[in-house]
Amino acid sequence: NAGVTQTPKFRILKIGQSMTLQCTQDMNHNYMYWYRQDPGMGLKLIYYSVGAGITDKGEVPNGYNVSRSTTEDFPLRLELAAPSQTSVYFCASRTGAGTEAFFGQGTRLTVV
Amino acid sequence: KNEVEQSPQNLTAQEGEFITINCSYSVGISALHWLQQHPGGGIVSLFMLSSGKKKHGRLIATINIQEKHSSLHITASHPRDSAVYICAGGLRGSNYKLTFGKGTLLTVNP
Repeated sequence: NAGVTQTPKFRILKIGQSMTLQCTQDMNHNYMYWYRQDPGMGLKLIYYSVGAGITDKGEVPNGYNVSRSTTEDFPLRLELAAPSQTSVYFCASRTGAGTEAFFGQGTRLTVV
Repeated sequence: KNEVEQSPQNLTAQEGEFITINCSYSVGISALHWLQQHPGGGIVSLFMLSSGKKKHGRLIATINIQEKHSSLHITASHPRDSAVYICAGGLRGSNYKLTFGKGTLLTVNP
């Protein structure tokens, strides 16, 4: 049972480059989330999805885009990488309200 | 504003000690999650509770809804318990989003 799988685990980008962080879950969860974790701060919500074809912005969406074409996959796109996007990114999924959240292993991104 | 506040920020203990981490939350949060993150590692869900008390091995989580307060206890602590412990609140009526505390860094020395 894989749970939530994120790739890659580490990445270094140059300013202005683009990349996609992949997230896949095999638990048939409707709700999926992308968070970023910065030192000394709580996780901040970037985008979330309540089902295939439905996405919405979280607290810190600027500079990111998402899509949800299937229940399993929720990729996060960075179009023009900036140093401020250096962070650890976590994908998570849940069945719904009042249920446990499952997290991926994280992607450590450095923009130089 | 929906908030989750944790204390302490840092905690150092000797192996075998009883540990308590506290979490206070604001109105509008209907469920509390306790998460564990080892250095450089992923995040693992320990507990989710909206009332009462839950126990798993040496870990116990309690919640007092009237006081809007939750605690995570670790009995007979061990160096492998060293990690960041994160409290997160599930927001009522908000598409099941979570708001996170800043975490408590626990170090258990042998």
